[in-house]
Amino acid sequence: DGGITQSPKYLFRKEGQNVTLSCEQNLNHDAMYWYRQDPGQGLRLIYYSQIVNDFQKGDIAEGYSVSREKKESFPLTVTSAQKNPTAFYLCASSIHGEPNSPLHFGNGTRLTVT
Amino acid sequence: GEDVEQSLFLSVREGDSSVINCTYTDSSSTYLYWYKQEPGAGLQLLTYIFSNMDMKQDQRLTVLLNKKDKHLSLRIADTQTGDSAIYFCAEDDYGGSQGNLIFGKGTKLSVKP
Repeated sequence: DGGITQSPKYLFRKEGQNVTLSCEQNLNHDAMYWYRQDPGQGLRLIYYSQIVNDFQKGDIAEGYSVSREKKESFPLTVTSAQKNPTAFYLCASSIHGEPNSPLHFGNGTRLTVT
Repeated sequence: GEDVEQSLFLSVREGDSSVINCTYTDSSSTYLYWYKQEPGAGLQLLTYIFSNMDMKQDQRLTVLLNKKDKHLSLRIADTQTGDSAIYFCAEDDYGGSQGNLIFGKGTKLSVKP
């Protein structure tokens, strides 16, 4: 079955360490996105990519970095510069330019930094 | 900037109807969406409505759009315990491209047996 896989489901890191969250999709979608979700908050867009080797900053890109070397993969690195990294991170994908094409979400990675 | 607002909690009894309300600010939105999030999971698209429509019905779900008041609602008929989840309203911010959605904070629906 096609879908989006995020791994790991839970991740623990010490403050000051960079950490990379994995997101893989086999839906052949062009566009991929990273969102951050905090308790009682909506989703906030971190980065998005509409095509391989290209990506744009979202609303809260500071302290994060991404790469898009392959269509299937869009890893997110949470750097030590991110002041409040503990959150639930959601990856999504869609067919670029298709308004009726739904966003497909992964099941998320819960990152805890102590 | 654009904003989407919704109440944070709603509690109903099993079998009753649930109505989740949402207001948005961007009058140029092309589509408005309702997503459902179950605990520990990602979001799942429930339904969407094109901005030139007033109503859309899909089985137990009815979406009403009042474009003049920028008000969107989701009605769930015959609410079941399996409907307990967080429901997010969202508007598109980029001519329909779903990646640039503005999400509300979500309404947590609790269904009591």
